[in-house]
Amino acid sequence: EADIYQTPRYLVIGTGKKITLECSQTMGHDKMYWYQQDPGMELHLIHYSYGVNSTEKGDLSSESTVSRIRTEHFPLTLESARPSHTSQYLCASSERNTEAFFGQGTRLTVV
Amino acid sequence: AQSVTQPDIHITVSEGASLELRCNYSYGATPYLFWYVQSPGQGLQLLLKYFSGDTLVQGIKGFEAEFKRSQSSFNLRKPSVHWSDAAEYFCAVGGLLYGGSQGNLIFGKGTKLSVKP
Repeated sequence: EADIYQTPRYLVIGTGKKITLECSQTMGHDKMYWYQQDPGMELHLIHYSYGVNSTEKGDLSSESTVSRIRTEHFPLTLESARPSHTSQYLCASSERNTEAFFGQGTRLTVV
Repeated sequence: AQSVTQPDIHITVSEGASLELRCNYSYGATPYLFWYVQSPGQGLQLLLKYFSGDTLVQGIKGFEAEFKRSQSSFNLRKPSVHWSDAAEYFCAVGGLLYGGSQGNLIFGKGTKLSVKP
């Protein structure tokens, strides 16, 4: 079973607040990813990292930022949450020659 | 641009009946192909994957998928559906973007499966 953890699982927060979604994996994978999933829609890659101190934006524009200071940790931050940020955020990790393993997701609601 | 199409948004089948979920992709070469399943409120779990070789691949929970190059398809099948199979199923292609990592995935919009008793 994959060991990738996301916290919190659910978050309801007011507009303008700063939030950080946590993602940690214990598999030692170099590559980590953040996907955004709106209801009834496909997942879109918003950020990825191929190693410590390496972060890139994905194919879906996002106002969020990420950091990768440790191999196992890949947090996502929204400096000022807005209702348009309401979505589910899924973290994943992989090696180059393996499939992606996903966390259980964080469902974010901004009111 | 690369894309993945799952033409069926919602499918309902009776328990014990067979199942086929369709997936087509648009890309010149053969990408890595995946099927993931998502239960309500959960993350994605890998059902099976195709990289090369035998075009019929076996996965977990009794699922299989067949890659057909001529049709750019990778349809998911199960001979006898169980009530616990009710979930959302996503087809995805990987290894195409950003240096070719298999974790950089392009997803279809998903097919929601309901199972009747």
